[in-house]
Amino acid sequence: QKEVEQNSGPLSVPEGAIASLNCTYSDRGSQSFFWYRQYSGKSPELIMSIYSNGDKEDGRFTAQLNKASQYVSLLIRDSQPSDSATYLCAVNQDSSYKLIFGSGTRLLVRP
Amino acid sequence: NAGVTQTPKFQVLKTGQSMTLQCAQDMNHNSMYWYRQDPGMGLRLIYYSASEGTTDKGEVPNGYNVSRLNKREFSLRLESAAPSQTSVYFCASSDPGLGTEAFFGQGTRLTVV
Repeated sequence: QKEVEQNSGPLSVPEGAIASLNCTYSDRGSQSFFWYRQYSGKSPELIMSIYSNGDKEDGRFTAQLNKASQYVSLLIRDSQPSDSATYLCAVNQDSSYKLIFGSGTRLLVRP
Repeated sequence: NAGVTQTPKFQVLKTGQSMTLQCAQDMNHNSMYWYRQDPGMGLRLIYYSASEGTTDKGEVPNGYNVSRLNKREFSLRLESAAPSQTSVYFCASSDPGLGTEAFFGQGTRLTVV
């Protein structure tokens, strides 16, 4: 079992729709969770971080964390073609400071 | 403020050759990481250094060695390159004790022929 799992996609949504990206992790001791966006040929860049159970909103982005279910999600509202990218879920195992990434979900937003 | 700087950006090696990828950060972060990225595989952790003076294996350490030279610099060495090590390599730094995000270098595209 991979430590951080994501559906590879592609996830295709029409412009203006809500895109929902999901991630599960295996280490119950993890405390820090991140969503990164990566455009083709570029380095990953941070979209959201979340540390507590519940929702965290930042503009069109909402991160959701459920530690009991070991589940993290990212919602993108009013999706735009410029949101088309690969979204990487990352989990920091705080006991070791090891930062593990999922394999990423490719999002395609259709104009 | 450069952030995380990796060198080189591109490299072609012949099978069996050795090389060192350099990484330096100027954000005073305690932790540094080396990842490789292959198509459809996301970022896989090769080695990491939680703090100056420590290094630990990640998910795919075979064929690599690392050195945390000081707080700023973390190098990755390929002793005898193999075609399976053709990949894009990313260095990152963070301060997980403070809950900060990881910042990435621009990547090194390595081809082993």
